[in-house]
Amino acid sequence: SQTIHQWPATLVQPVGSPLSLECTVEGTSNPNLYWYRQAAGRGLQLLFYSVGIGQISSEVPQNLSASRPQDRQFILSSKKLLLSDSGFYLCAWSVDSYGYTFGSGTRLTVV
Amino acid sequence: SQKIEQNSEALNIQEGKTATLTCNYTNYSPAYLQWYRQDPGRGPVFLLLIRENEKEKRKERLKVTFDTTLKQSLFHITASQPADSATYLCAGPISSGSARQLTFGSGTQLTVLP
Repeated sequence: SQTIHQWPATLVQPVGSPLSLECTVEGTSNPNLYWYRQAAGRGLQLLFYSVGIGQISSEVPQNLSASRPQDRQFILSSKKLLLSDSGFYLCAWSVDSYGYTFGSGTRLTVV
Repeated sequence: SQKIEQNSEALNIQEGKTATLTCNYTNYSPAYLQWYRQDPGRGPVFLLLIRENEKEKRKERLKVTFDTTLKQSLFHITASQPADSATYLCAGPISSGSARQLTFGSGTQLTVLP
């Protein structure tokens, strides 16, 4: 069966520090992969999506970057975190345009 | 710009009643809409997808409608239970047609009172 792993669950980082969040998918090949951010009480904002290895599209200009070094691995990074990067980060995968499967999320607090 | 809008006010209903949540879309024509459930501190869970040529879709106690004239989808939970309490998100493709990327509404928080 297909599963998605996202870690860590919570993270507290100082302003200016680097960030690396990892997401891996099992049980499917060539999935579409997504990173979303959810601010408190707000909807999900699409940050990046990928349709294949090394293929990354960014939806909004920001302090973050994404990479897909392997078919089922998606990484969200930052060289220097800002206070505004705080939020709930969610990784998701899909095949075609059917429903997304989301990871359990990472609660990032930048202090 | 394309938008998915949900009534952001919380909805409280009595157990056993039918909950009805509304999703409106503006400035575009999505080929489909999706509904998700999100519990606090968790990722959303996919519930249903309805395509623009489908008027209604059902899954157990859930029913979704798609009205292209009103530019609206309704999400119903019949015989609601306290366990149905959660935030429900509506989502559509990021542009007209059937793009893979989804844009989400801000969600409606449903509380079912025992």
